[in-house]
This record gives sequence, C-alpha cells and structure tokens, in this order.
Amino acid sequence: NAGVTQTPKFQVLKTGQSMTLQCAQDMNHEYMSWYRQDPGMGLRLIHYSVGAGITDQGEVPNGYNVSRSTTEDFPLRLLSAAPSQTSVYFCASSYGRGGSYGYTFGSGTRLTVV
Amino acid sequence: QQPVQSPQAVILREGEDAVINCSSSKALYSVHWYRQKHGEAPVFLMILLKGGEQKGHEKISASFNEKKQQSSLYLTASQLSYSGTYFCGTPNQAGTALIFGKGTTLSVSS
Repeated sequence: NAGVTQTPKFQVLKTGQSMTLQCAQDMNHEYMSWYRQDPGMGLRLIHYSVGAGITDQGEVPNGYNVSRSTTEDFPLRLLSAAPSQTSVYFCASSYGRGGSYGYTFGSGTRLTVV
Repeated sequence: QQPVQSPQAVILREGEDAVINCSSSKALYSVHWYRQKHGEAPVFLMILLKGGEQKGHEKISASFNEKKQQSSLYLTASQLSYSGTYFCGTPNQAGTALIFGKGTTLSVSS
C-alpha cells in the first residue's frame, strides 16, 4: 500500500516554463488537495477535488490548474512558472466529509523557479 | 478563513509540558491536528469533533470547545521526538478540504 505518491521530489524550472506535478493515491480516497508550504506561511490550499471530474479553487489558486480524470490521480499544472512559485508542494487525500479520518500527505515536491 | 495558532514557537526541556492553541473566527464542527518533522510531510495526529471531546495520541491530548471556536493541544512530559511543527486544520465551509493555521514550532532539548 503506497499511500500518496508525489513525483518528482525536486525540480528546477526557468521562469516561464510549464510543468506538471504528479500526485497519485491508492487508497480510493474521494477527497484530494494540493498545498504549498512557504516559511512562516503554513500550508496554503491551492486546489482541491471531491471526486473524479470535480475540482475547486482554494486560497491561492492563481497560476495553477488541476484536473481529476480518475479517483487515483490529481496532477497540478504550473502554466508559466514564476519565482514566486518557488515552494514545497504537498498533495493530500482523505475520505469522509471534513476528512473525518485524517488526511494522508505525500512526501512533497520541492520546486525552485529561477 | 485561516485558523490562528499560538504561540508561534515553544522551546522546552525534556519532561516539560506545553499547550498549543488554535482558534477560528467561524463556527467549527471539527479540528484536525498534524505534526511535521523537518524535511518531512505532515502526519495526522487526531481529529476533534463537535461535542467537546478530548482525544489522545501517545502523551499528546487535545480538547475542542465549539462554543469558543477553539482547540488546544496538550503535550505532557515532552520527549525529544515531539520536536517539530504542529498545525491545526479546520474544514472549509463545504467540508471538502482543510484550511491550516501557520503552525507552532516546538523544540525539545535534553
């Protein structure tokens, strides 16, 4: 049982490049979320999904797109990378309204935009 | 709306106790607590549901007062392994995602 798998673990991008951060879970969780973590800012919600085909914006959605074609996968796309998007990105999943059984986090992707 | 955590940082010696608080300006029906060690992912500790219940994890317990819209995490007889950043999280309005506080960094030394 792998849990939540994020790839890549590290990435360096040039300003203006695009890329996709991958997130997959094998627990059949309906709820999935993307967060970014910056020093002193905590975990800020970017986008989330409540099932295949259903996504919504979180606190800081600008510059990011998501889609959810299957229960397992929830990729995060950076359309045109900017230095302000340098951060650590976490994907998390849960089931039950309100994440009643707790969220499981992936190991994170450390992204640097130069 | 982001919950507010206090204090921002706590420094302890092994065996000492600490309390971390989490408050919200909106009505809550649940509060989550997570711990993140340096360079790792956050790990779920416990969830507190409406009803004022208390829960425990190792020697870590928590309470939830929905009338005051706040929760407290109690760490007793702290161990070196308790060091890390503690986050509280509250569900968004639809209960479909968590909004986290900025975190409280706990440092335990011998």
